[in-house]
Parts: sequence; C-alpha cells; structure tokens
Amino acid sequence: GENVEQHPSTLSVQEGDSAVIKCTYSDSASNYFPWYKQELGKRPQLIIDIRSNVGEKKDQRIAVTLNKTAKHFSLHITETQPEDSAVYFCAACDDSGGYNKLIFGAGTRLAVHP
Amino acid sequence: EAQVTQNPRYLITVTGKKLTVTCSQNMNHEYMSWYRQDPGLGLRQIYYSMNVEVTDKGDVPEGYKVSRKEKRNFPLILESPSPNQTSLYFCASSISAGSYNSPLHFGNGTRLTVT
Repeated sequence: GENVEQHPSTLSVQEGDSAVIKCTYSDSASNYFPWYKQELGKRPQLIIDIRSNVGEKKDQRIAVTLNKTAKHFSLHITETQPEDSAVYFCAACDDSGGYNKLIFGAGTRLAVHP
Repeated sequence: EAQVTQNPRYLITVTGKKLTVTCSQNMNHEYMSWYRQDPGLGLRQIYYSMNVEVTDKGDVPEGYKVSRKEKRNFPLILESPSPNQTSLYFCASSISAGSYNSPLHFGNGTRLTVT
C-alpha cells in the first residue's frame, strides 16, 4: 500500500522568508496530492492540491510541485507571514478507482517568527 | 452553512466505559471517514463509509465501531475505551472518496482522554 513520508517535522523561519516542505510517496499509481493546513486547535483544511498530469500549481503565495519520476512533491510558501504558522499535512492517493484512500504524511509544524 | 459537526469537543472518561462520538454533515456527502491524530503520526484512518449501510476498516480500526444508518450521520463508538485511545479524533466527509474536486471537509475534532 501507499506510504507517505514528510520532512521536516518542524520548520522555523523568519517572516518574509520562504518555506519548503517535502513529501515522498511509494505507490507509483498515486495521482492526486492534496495539502492540508491545520491551525492550532482547529480542523485541517485543504489549501492546495495537484494531479499527476500537472507539474506545478500556484495559488498566490503557495505553490506545489510534483516530480512523478522521483515520486516526490513539495509545498512552497513564499513571503511567509505569522498567520502561516500551522501544521501542514501532505497526502497522496490513486483516485482512479471506486474507493480512493488518502494516505497522510506525519505533518510539519511551521513556525513563522515576526 | 455547509459543515461537519462533531460532538463532544472534549471528553474525559475512564477505562471500559462505553462512549459515542457523533458526526453529522449537511452537505449530502456520500463518503465519510474517521481519523485519529497523534503527535508524529499524522492522521490515521479508523473507519470509512462509502454510502449508507456501507462501512469498512481503515488502518487502525481495533477497539472502534461505526455505523451508517443515515447518509448524514456517522457515529464512532468505543465499546470499552482504553488509555491508548486517548487522542484527537476527526470526522470528515466528501462528495466521493479522496479525489480531485472532492476535498475532505473535517469536523472540529474531539479530544478524548481515557484514564
């Protein structure tokens, strides 16, 4: 089955710097890769996702890149702000079947210092 | 407002005392799932349901039960809770299971402590 590894587990940056979180997956059939953000004490919420037919997707200050050959994908946050402080989860699944199981990474706790 | 509602938000109980955590969604979603979140382990799936009366085990189902008698409700039942079930629990739903354009909507979470 699918296994998703996420690094680093914690990340501390200064406000305005960039942050990069990386995930690797094991199942070459996986073709859908969402990222969820969980602020302290709140629920995880989808912030961006990408399908395997696309190498990069951007939404304002966040972007996700995918390397299918190497089986890894990354979240990039530019011009970080204190409100970006949260736990970020990557996930992967093969959404071509009737049941599409999302496998989550262990999470990255991002701290943005003013 | 479209949402997934979990109750209670916090629960402290003792070993062996049966409990139920309720989950309800108002988005007419077919797919519902329960996760537990533990430090360093991310979100692990307990049980999921593809539709009414259809449930199946996730990665960590031991010690839990679920039911899906109605489309909107998906309660999580701990028949005999143990301390290793102390965790943060999330219910989630989506139009269909884990696919593009069908994001998971999570509830607010239930923090369970078993002493």
